[in-house]
Amino acid sequence: SYVLTQPPSVSAAPGKTATISCGGDNIARQSVHWYQQKPGQAPVGVMYYDGDRPSGIPERFSGSSSGNTATLTISRVEAGDEADYYCQVWDSTSDNSWVFGGGTKLTVL
Amino acid sequence: EIQLMESAGGLVQPGGSLRLSCAASGFTFSSYWMHWVRQAPGKGLVGVSRINGPGTYTGYEDSVKGRFTISRDNAKNTVFLQMNNLRVEDTGVYYCARANWNDELADNWGQGTLVTVSS
Repeated sequence: SYVLTQPPSVSAAPGKTATISCGGDNIARQSVHWYQQKPGQAPVGVMYYDGDRPSGIPERFSGSSSGNTATLTISRVEAGDEADYYCQVWDSTSDNSWVFGGGTKLTVL
Repeated sequence: EIQLMESAGGLVQPGGSLRLSCAASGFTFSSYWMHWVRQAPGKGLVGVSRINGPGTYTGYEDSVKGRFTISRDNAKNTVFLQMNNLRVEDTGVYYCARANWNDELADNWGQGTLVTVSS
């Protein structure tokens, strides 16, 4: 089945930019979706189809994909952005279809 | 407002069974794929099972095949996950999630319910 690889952690100072990568074989050919999960809470979608922000998600969040890497970029990082972030693709070869990356913990310094 | 409300989980001994339910409201339930996603303590998200709108297609993650059964009652706007022969590694928070129109992503999540498998 398809494998998505994320760095375990990234950090950024308030006001700076955080970039979270998601690696996968020819991932640019897939639609990548991103979720934010804060401690004790359910995940929330922050980016769909590589670069579409769901309603209510700040413009500071953006997404892109090229080659074997998809990227979630958070500009002007705020303390409230500290969370785990997961990428996800739809895998037609998988019985259950949704494949998630291992998650990246964003620490706001 | 779309709401997904999972039933209470609980503590189950290895080899035991548990049935989770997820009551949906705020949308035309029968038109959407529904998923169960598991999160082991301190770990990431794993898709466990899915079911299409009419309930005629189901899919399972390899480790739960033959042990878990997903089903739905569209008249009651509820999706179920019957979990049999539970293992310690099935421990985690189970989220009910609604898929978007083409099943590509989760656009709404329940609050999650904790299942603990331990002797």
